[in-house]
Amino acid sequence: DTGVSQNPRHKITKRGQNVTFRCDPISEHNRLYWYRQTLGQGPEFLTYFQNEAQLEKSRLLSDRFSAERPKGSFSTLEIQRTEQGDSAMYLCASSSGFLRRNTEAFFGQGTRLTVV
Amino acid sequence: TQLLEQSPQFLSIQEGENLTVYCNSSSVFSSLQWYRQEPGEGPVLLVTVVTGGEVKKLKRLTFQFGDARKDSSLHITAAQPGDTGLYLCAGGGADGLTFGKGTHLIIQP
Repeated sequence: DTGVSQNPRHKITKRGQNVTFRCDPISEHNRLYWYRQTLGQGPEFLTYFQNEAQLEKSRLLSDRFSAERPKGSFSTLEIQRTEQGDSAMYLCASSSGFLRRNTEAFFGQGTRLTVV
Repeated sequence: TQLLEQSPQFLSIQEGENLTVYCNSSSVFSSLQWYRQEPGEGPVLLVTVVTGGEVKKLKRLTFQFGDARKDSSLHITAAQPGDTGLYLCAGGGADGLTFGKGTHLIIQP
C-alpha cells in the first residue's frame, strides 16, 4: 500500500491524558499536513511541514497541540492534557509540492479520537 | 481568510435522479479539488480543476470550475446509492487546502 497511512485508527483516552498519533505520507511527497475534522464539518487546517521544517503552526488549536516530522518522513501529532472538546477525527495528508501550484493532496484514513 | 461555502448542506434524493451541488467563494483559487468522504474514513480525491471554465467528467460526475475561478459545481447524473457520502470542495492555498463544510448527499434506493 503506497497511500498515506495513519495509526492508530481509533483512540479512546481519559481526559487529562496525553495522546500521540502517527502519519506516514506517500514516500515521494515532501509536504505533510495535519487537519482536524469534527462531526458535520469540513476538515480544519492545523499545521504543515515541508520536509522536516514546520512552516505553519499558528493555527494549532492551543499550546497543548504539537507536531513533529524529525527526519522529513513520518510525522507525529501530540495532544497533551486532552479535553473532551479534543474529540474529533485527525487527518493527515501529503502532497508533492505547494497546493496553490495545483498539486494534489492525498489523505489518510484518519485517527478518530474520543476523550472520555 | 479564504472561505468556501457549499450548498446545499444536505440533499436526499431518489436513485436515478440528477443533482448539482455548488461551491462558492469570494476569493480566487489557483486550483480547486473535490473530495468524497464516507463516515469514519478520510477524504478521497475525485478531481482537481485548474483553469477557469474547465469541465471535467468522471463517469456520471461532471465538475466545472467557474470562469473567474471563484466557484465550482458538481453534477451527478442518474445518482446511485453508492454515491452517498459527504462531498467536499477545497481550494489550494499557500499553506494548504481550505475546505468547505461539505454537502451531505443521500441517495435512496
